Amino acid sequence: GDSVTQMEGPVTLSEEAFLTINCTYTATGYPSLFWYVQYPGEGLQLLLKATKADDKGSNKGFEATYRKETTSFHLEKGSVQVSDSAVYFCALSDQGAQKLVFGQGTRLTINP
Amino acid sequence: GAVVSQHPSWVICKSGTSVKIECRSLDFQATTMFWYRQFPKQSLMLMATSNEGSKATYEQGVEKDKFLINHASLTLSTLTVTSAHPEDSSFYICSARDRDVSYNEQFFGPGTRLTVL
Repeated sequence: GDSVTQMEGPVTLSEEAFLTINCTYTATGYPSLFWYVQYPGEGLQLLLKATKADDKGSNKGFEATYRKETTSFHLEKGSVQVSDSAVYFCALSDQGAQKLVFGQGTRLTINP
Repeated sequence: GAVVSQHPSWVICKSGTSVKIECRSLDFQATTMFWYRQFPKQSLMLMATSNEGSKATYEQGVEKDKFLINHASLTLSTLTVTSAHPEDSSFYICSARDRDVSYNEQFFGPGTRLTVL
């Protein structure tokens, strides 16, 4: 079945550091890919998305490119802030199904 | 736009009682809503998919009689945890799919923390 694998956390960085959170997926069809962010005690918020190969999703300085050849959707940000501290989830949704399949989540902590 | 609310945001109940959690799409119509359960420091586990006007589809291992789901309108789905026990304590999150959006994006509620004493 479909699956998503994220780099294990926790990840701790200093403010203004470069961030990469790796995400790879396995899917039989042509999925849409998502990054969600969860702040402490809250539900998930969509951070960015890409619906087809080579699309680049971007929001709040975060970017991720849908790479079909490597089945990846790595999340990047050039300069992180303390307010970026949260748990980040990579997810996919196959075109034929309605379900979201989530990765295990990566906890990010940014120190001032 | 695309706001999903949940009520209550937290609830504490005694073992053996039932608890109802509401999930509402505030500014769009959701033919499909999803219920997830999240344990501390873990990912979301899909419990069931709820389609308006029909029975919910439960994931393997989720007890239908324990987690009753009703999706009576295009903007409301409810999850009732019946005869709750301490092991049911968890963070329950709902999401909704906008029927007018072609790709499978889901909009999430803020979650409900259930504590069963």
